[in-house]
Amino acid sequence: AQSVTQLDSQVPVFEEAPVELRCNYSSSVSVYLFWYVQYPNQGLQLLLKYLSGSTLVKGINGFEAEFNKSQTSFHLRKPSVHISDTAEYFCAVSSSNTGFQKLVFGTGTRLLVSP
Amino acid sequence: GAVVSQHPSWVICKSGTSVKIECRSLDFQATTMFWYRQFPKQSLMLMATSNEGSKATYEQGVEKDKFLINHASLTLSTLTVTSAHPEDSSFYICSANRDLNTGELFFGEGSRLTVL
Repeated sequence: AQSVTQLDSQVPVFEEAPVELRCNYSSSVSVYLFWYVQYPNQGLQLLLKYLSGSTLVKGINGFEAEFNKSQTSFHLRKPSVHISDTAEYFCAVSSSNTGFQKLVFGTGTRLLVSP
Repeated sequence: GAVVSQHPSWVICKSGTSVKIECRSLDFQATTMFWYRQFPKQSLMLMATSNEGSKATYEQGVEKDKFLINHASLTLSTLTVTSAHPEDSSFYICSANRDLNTGELFFGEGSRLTVL
């Protein structure tokens, strides 16, 4: 079964600094990869997704992620963060094992942006 | 874009009562919806998969008699927490699978349940 690892439970960063949130997955079959953001007391919102094609995926709010098949990673990046980016970020994967019907989530990374 | 609406956002109830949470897909039909539970500062735990017109599929360790799921139409799934106890207090989030080819989910706003 596939699993998703987000090594950093919390990432503190200053406003306007770059940030990278790490995500690794374990699967030997074809996968689709997603990043979601959750603001306090809200549901999850899709930031971006990788299905196929270019390994560099651009999403909303200036975020991007790069799919690296050899390293089984899908790290999320933003060149300059804002205070409003403070939230919980979840990496998720669906795989051909389940017919891409079920998403498996990582444990989440809390991004804390301070002035 | 697709919208999934969840109601109520907040609910407080007494121990022993039952609480129903609704999840609606507003602009698409969802044959499959998922119910998650999220504890403070933790990830989402999949509770069950709700299938329109058939019984829900529960994850291991989730009591089907305690968490009743009904998916009576293509736009509505409900989760009923029966005989709620304080340990059932949590944030419950529903999601709908719009794209059956990729597994991409659209999420409701979540419902925070507090059982006194």
